[in-house]
Amino acid sequence: EVLLVESGGALVQPGRSLRLSCLGSGFTFRDYALTWVRQAPGKGLEWVSLIRSKVYGATTEYAASVKGRFSISRDDSKSIAYLQMNSLKIEDTGVYYCTRDVVRHTSSTSMFDCWGQGTLVTVSS
Amino acid sequence: DIQMTQSPSSLSASLGDRVTITCRASQSISTNLNWYKQSPGKAPKLLIYGTSILDSGVPSTFSGSGSGTEFTLTISSLQPEDFATYYCQQSHTNARSFGQGTKLEIQ
Repeated sequence: EVLLVESGGALVQPGRSLRLSCLGSGFTFRDYALTWVRQAPGKGLEWVSLIRSKVYGATTEYAASVKGRFSISRDDSKSIAYLQMNSLKIEDTGVYYCTRDVVRHTSSTSMFDCWGQGTLVTVSS
Repeated sequence: DIQMTQSPSSLSASLGDRVTITCRASQSISTNLNWYKQSPGKAPKLLIYGTSILDSGVPSTFSGSGSGTEFTLTISSLQPEDFATYYCQQSHTNARSFGQGTKLEIQ
């Protein structure tokens, strides 16, 4: 069974840092791109960041709202992806989901086919 | 960045009804469009990818169509488990983006 489990969410003050982790199991972690998606309380989904597999250089992408503050990385030896969040703002509050970003042979479109249960980040003084 | 706009934002319908949700992109995304369903308190779940391909286990009452900038998700006969929030998402550009969501409620 493919599983993604997020951890690291907490209550933090504005301006502080936090690192989220996403542990994958049930699949060959190193072969897949991973994405973080967040959801503010009562709001919709917002794409945050992507990291490709090492085959594609482990290149990264970021939403404009977090660029320069957040950093995504991966440790394939541990099957973990990280989201380092610096200079946190109140508007960064929400549930952060880790997803697997895949392209299937039936389509050239990438999609988020597996989601973790999410971890809650609350930024408040 | 590509903006995705869904309509309506909310929709009330009855069991057995046929409903359609529209998703518009601010520029052409070919057929690089996916749909997700989110039930309250749960993580989103992939429904349809590549505009019209149903993910494994998704009932045939769901269908998707469109290309370029306009896309639709149709549920042909609403079942109790279909009342949830639906999101479109584009994968045409490196910066992925979601629509704001459509909440489907029981009338």
